[in-house]
Amino acid sequence: KAGVTQTPRYLIKTRGQQVTLSCSPISGHRSVSWYQQTPGQGLQFLFEYFSETQRNKGNFPGRFSGRQFSNSRSEMNVSTLELGDSALYLCASSTGASSSYEQYFGPGTRLTVT
Amino acid sequence: QKEVEQNSGPLSVPEGAIASLNCTYSDRVSQSFFWYRQYSGKSPELIMSIYSNGDKEDGRFTAQLNKASQYVSLLIRDSQPSDSATYLCAVNAYNTNAGKSTFGDGTTLTVKP
Repeated sequence: KAGVTQTPRYLIKTRGQQVTLSCSPISGHRSVSWYQQTPGQGLQFLFEYFSETQRNKGNFPGRFSGRQFSNSRSEMNVSTLELGDSALYLCASSTGASSSYEQYFGPGTRLTVT
Repeated sequence: QKEVEQNSGPLSVPEGAIASLNCTYSDRVSQSFFWYRQYSGKSPELIMSIYSNGDKEDGRFTAQLNKASQYVSLLIRDSQPSDSATYLCAVNAYNTNAGKSTFGDGTTLTVKP
């Protein structure tokens, strides 16, 4: 079974621009969660989508948004980029069942904002 | 107080020794607990999950959970240099926050040959 894929793997943007990152979960998984990882803050939860609905949201500004499509693929968007948005963005795939929440991470997208 | 706290590390053990990694959490409704391993420059990889009090063993890894003490640990027996990585503890309170995993900052383990 193929793993979680994320595109692009690397991205360089300038302040004020916007960016869209994509994640394809493991086949059959209906939940996609997004995380931001930085050396100073660790792994921070952005949001989770399950069956095209945002089920949970972390403490990030509204510049961070996401969506999920009917095939469970997900995108996240960051508008008006700031230097502090430079980070590794990880998506994690799960069945989404409430009895278990084992997550499988993609390789991540390394975003650099200059 | 952070929701999930781990030994700040770094932790260094000789090859063949037992490495002990600890994690405490603050939310009493937490119901599922996970350990992830993250090699430098890579994404986290799930290595253990535990849902009920007690021990759970998988090969050289043993996860221990004590909900009364809000404590979860990971033991790595016969540590190998390939175990050198950062270990992340994650907690889910899926009844109230379905789909939200809260991670600790991680403990970096070095296994010396």
